[in-house]
Amino acid sequence: DQQVKQNSPSLSVQEGRISILNCDYTNSMFDYFLWYKKYPAEGPTFLISISSIKDKNEDGRFTVFLNKSAKHLSLHIVPSQPGDSAVYFCAASSYNNNDMRFGAGTRLTVKP
Amino acid sequence: ETGVTQSPTHLIKTRGQQVTLRCSSQSGHNTVSWYQQALGQGPQFIFQYYREEENGRGNFPPRFSGLQFPNYSSELNVNALELDDSALYLCASSLGGIAEAFFGQGTRLTVV
Repeated sequence: DQQVKQNSPSLSVQEGRISILNCDYTNSMFDYFLWYKKYPAEGPTFLISISSIKDKNEDGRFTVFLNKSAKHLSLHIVPSQPGDSAVYFCAASSYNNNDMRFGAGTRLTVKP
Repeated sequence: ETGVTQSPTHLIKTRGQQVTLRCSSQSGHNTVSWYQQALGQGPQFIFQYYREEENGRGNFPPRFSGLQFPNYSSELNVNALELDDSALYLCASSLGGIAEAFFGQGTRLTVV
């Protein structure tokens, strides 16, 4: 059962432009959402998170938006840099729950 | 403060054999989770250990088992290896239940 979906396997943007990565979930019990970035031959690295009591969380160039009614979240990267090129995973869980569900990932390529 | 380290980084085993993967959690973290990441997919939750006790399990058969030691390091054991067990195995440590988990670089297991 794929409870977290990232429908775009890849995304290509020009350096300096905005990158928008999308994620949908089906389980209404999820109340905590995270984005991870993964470079080849490395484990996923935590990027940013948001709890269901918020609809937006910012950290520098990275902003995550949560639309609970649509069960949708997105990650905005502004401005995009070539070093942002990686696979981005969306993950969802509940507070005090041990089972973090991941999407299949979106490969972002930022072109110089 | 040391990060999450996994050993070995690569491993080749024969179908039917048994394998043990190891993980050292980040300093101060008492929770370790294991994930299996097949090619082109997101990480899938195997199980979690909290203070040496199993604290949740995903949809994996009993031949996947684990341990957590008093220093919070952990092992993942897989018996009777099957070809489909070939994957990247990721260990993640965190403080308490969910929060932001920090991943190791993974162990690439190939079953032939």
